[in-house]
Amino acid sequence: GENVEQHPSTLSVQEGDSAVIKCTYSDSASNYFPWYKQELGKRPQLIIDIRSNVGEKKDQRIAVTLNKTAKHFSLHITETQPEDSAVYFCAASGDDYKLSFGAGTTVTVRA
Amino acid sequence: ETGVTQTPRHLVMGMTNKKSLKCEQHLGHNAMYWYKQSAKKPLELMFVYNFKEQTENNSVPSRFSPECPNSSHLFLHLHTLQPEDSALYLCASSRGGGRVVDEQFFGPGTRLTVL
Repeated sequence: GENVEQHPSTLSVQEGDSAVIKCTYSDSASNYFPWYKQELGKRPQLIIDIRSNVGEKKDQRIAVTLNKTAKHFSLHITETQPEDSAVYFCAASGDDYKLSFGAGTTVTVRA
Repeated sequence: ETGVTQTPRHLVMGMTNKKSLKCEQHLGHNAMYWYKQSAKKPLELMFVYNFKEQTENNSVPSRFSPECPNSSHLFLHLHTLQPEDSALYLCASSRGGGRVVDEQFFGPGTRLTVL
């Protein structure tokens, strides 16, 4: 089955700086890579996703890059704000509805 | 209420109890999922239903029994659980149907404590 590894497990950044979270996956057949944000005590919510037919996708301060050859993808958050503090999960999936999640990255934005 | 709802939000049970978790989605989706979320671990997929048919049982112990009477409702029946089963249980739904995976919408979860 798919195995997703996520690094780092914790990340502390100064407000206004950028944050980068990296994930690797094992199954070359995976073609869908979402990122979820989970604030304390709340449900995970999708913030951005990318499919294997593109290499990069942006949405305001958030971007995701995908390197299919190396089997890794990354989340980039620019101009971080206190409300970006949360746990971020990457995931990977093939054509079988199953999402395999990374262990999560706890991001803390220092004011 | 819109989206995906779960009840109860919190549950404390003894190891000999029988209880059920309920999930309901109001999004017109066809696929529903149960996940277990433990501290410092990845979300663990437990069960997948697509058009009421179970398509995945991720080696889950038989003390967890899912039920999907229709595409809008999903239950997780619990029986003789162990303390290590204490976790946040999340339900999710997605459009499903075809073979293209897409966004999963999560419920708020049930915080389960097994004494």
